[in-house]
Amino acid sequence: QKEVEQNSGPLSVPEGAIASLNCTYSDRGSQSFFWYRQYSGKSPELIMSIYSNGDKEDGRFTAQLNKASQYVSLLIRDSQPSDSATYLCAVTGDYKLSFGAGTTVTVRA
Amino acid sequence: KAGVTQTPRYLIKTRGQQVTLSCSPISGHRSVSWYQQTPGQGLQFLFEYFSETQRNKGNFPGRFSGRQFSNSRSEMNVSTLELGDSALYLCASSDNREGDTQYFGPGTRLTVL
Repeated sequence: QKEVEQNSGPLSVPEGAIASLNCTYSDRGSQSFFWYRQYSGKSPELIMSIYSNGDKEDGRFTAQLNKASQYVSLLIRDSQPSDSATYLCAVTGDYKLSFGAGTTVTVRA
Repeated sequence: KAGVTQTPRYLIKTRGQQVTLSCSPISGHRSVSWYQQTPGQGLQFLFEYFSETQRNKGNFPGRFSGRQFSNSRSEMNVSTLELGDSALYLCASSDNREGDTQYFGPGTRLTVL
């Protein structure tokens, strides 16, 4: 079983819609969770970090964490063409980040 | 603050050669991590350094090595390059604490011919 798994993509959403991304992790001891966005040919950039159960909102982005279910999600509201990218879920442990394979999101105008 | 910088940005080598990549962390960050990204394997952890000490190492052969200097700058070395080493090599820096956000540099694109 992979350490971090993301829902398979690609995900295509119309402009203005909500994009929903999901991620599960295997290490129950994990304490820190991140969502990174990566444009083609670029390096990952941080969108959200979340450490406690519940929701965390930042602008159009909302991260949700449920440690009991070992589940992290990211909602992108009012999706824009500039949101078209690959979204990477990452979990920390032993001084390293473990990444999911990524979900590619395309926002169509 | 300036971000994480990596040099060189692009590199072309031939099989059997060796390569050294450099990373300068964000000012004040003492932890530096290295990752390899390929289309087939995704982002994989190579190693992490703090105060010149390697705290964790990923599942890579001994041809991959790294070090950190007293000013927190880090280098990674790959010896006896193989075609499969072609990848984007990413450096990330963070504060000391476990679980702190890691900020990525632009990466070094290595092509092995």
